[in-house]
Amino acid sequence: DGGITQSPKYLFRKEGQNVTLSCEQNLNHDAMYWYRQDPGQGLRLIYYSQIVNDFQKGDIAEGYSVSREKKESFPLTVTSAQKNPTAFYLCATGASTDTQYFGPGTRLTVL
Amino acid sequence: GEDVEQSLFLSVREGDSSVINCTYTDSSSTYLYWYKQEPGAGLQLLTYIFSNMDMKQDQRLTVLLNKKDKHLSLRIADTQTGDSAIYFCAEKLRGSYIPTFGRGTSLIVHP
Repeated sequence: DGGITQSPKYLFRKEGQNVTLSCEQNLNHDAMYWYRQDPGQGLRLIYYSQIVNDFQKGDIAEGYSVSREKKESFPLTVTSAQKNPTAFYLCATGASTDTQYFGPGTRLTVL
Repeated sequence: GEDVEQSLFLSVREGDSSVINCTYTDSSSTYLYWYKQEPGAGLQLLTYIFSNMDMKQDQRLTVLLNKKDKHLSLRIADTQTGDSAIYFCAEKLRGSYIPTFGRGTSLIVHP
């Protein structure tokens, strides 16, 4: 929290739609991450970026895409290829390999 | 590979101490974290300890590390209703970008 903002807080998606979740930070952290959280489960890593214009797939990247054009921003697009996107999405940042700090989250629901 | 295990639930009476336990697998130089997640919110970093330490205390929080058994615990003294949340243990190798999270322990504090 603090210098990490996620928007919107709640998001609704219709079948077949792409939606984009925003994550912005003013902590000057190089690394940014996207996690998915389902009830009763831990956090699963979707994508992460160590530096601008570079990103790597995490454990569950299928059906998701990201970009890292600016240090402050790491948007996540949930595409129509993601068949079960209803979940709580968390963005995190870190100064290189240092501790991760989390944003407030976006809850995505498929209608 | 890394694996982090936590019990799923803990119920305590207000005013008592809570002890949340975690086991991890990697014996290399590692950071061990405790995060707190309140309903509908992101993860808040509570404290962390490096694997060459045995104990860390911060106000009502005490972290104990048993390196031989790869066991980490978080003790919350004088537990209050505001401490009701999910507590995540996480392990991260030194120099790595990606931590491994446990599934979280739901702490329920009752009067």
